[in-house]
Amino acid sequence: DGGITQSPKYLFRKEGQNVTLSCEQNLNHDAMYWYRQDPGQGLRLIYYSQIVNDFQKGDIAEGYSVSREKKESFPLTVTSAQKNPTAFYLCASRSDRLPNEKLFFGSGTQLSVL
Amino acid sequence: DAKTTQPNSMESNEEEPVHLPCNHSTISGTDYIHWYRQLPSQGPEYVIHGLTSNVNNRMASLAIAEDRKSSTLILHRATLRDAAVYYCIVQRSGGSNYKLTFGKGTLLTVNP
Repeated sequence: DGGITQSPKYLFRKEGQNVTLSCEQNLNHDAMYWYRQDPGQGLRLIYYSQIVNDFQKGDIAEGYSVSREKKESFPLTVTSAQKNPTAFYLCASRSDRLPNEKLFFGSGTQLSVL
Repeated sequence: DAKTTQPNSMESNEEEPVHLPCNHSTISGTDYIHWYRQLPSQGPEYVIHGLTSNVNNRMASLAIAEDRKSSTLILHRATLRDAAVYYCIVQRSGGSNYKLTFGKGTLLTVNP
């Protein structure tokens, strides 16, 4: 089945540690996105990528980094510079063949600080 | 970005229609209006989208104002499974259409 896979489902981070969240899609989509969601809040855009080897900062990129070496993969690293990393992280992808293409979301990763 | 404004929460009774409003006063002529919903502890899922005309699908209907500055998502008969957060977003066409931002959405509670 085509879709977006995020792993792990739950992740724990120690103080000063970098952690990487995985996002893989087999939908052949060019555009990929990372969002952060805090309890009771909406989605905030961290980074997005329109094409391989290119990505743009979203609204809350500080303390995060990404790479886009392959079309299928868009991993997100939460660095030690992110002082409040506890949140639900969502990855999404979208085709860009037409301007009205819809977003497909993964099932999310819950990150907590030990 | 074209910002959207939605009520924080709404409540409905089961089997009754629900009208979820969204304001997008800065929308441009070729921007699409998309609706997504998010069930607890899940990623959002697509509901419906439109440009100018009203749209219907198996999940919902979308009514778009004539000036396109607002839209309404209509659930014709709410069920308990429709309890979710509903997001309205504007997707730009053209070169800047990749940055897709969400607001806080509307939390819909459905009473049995």
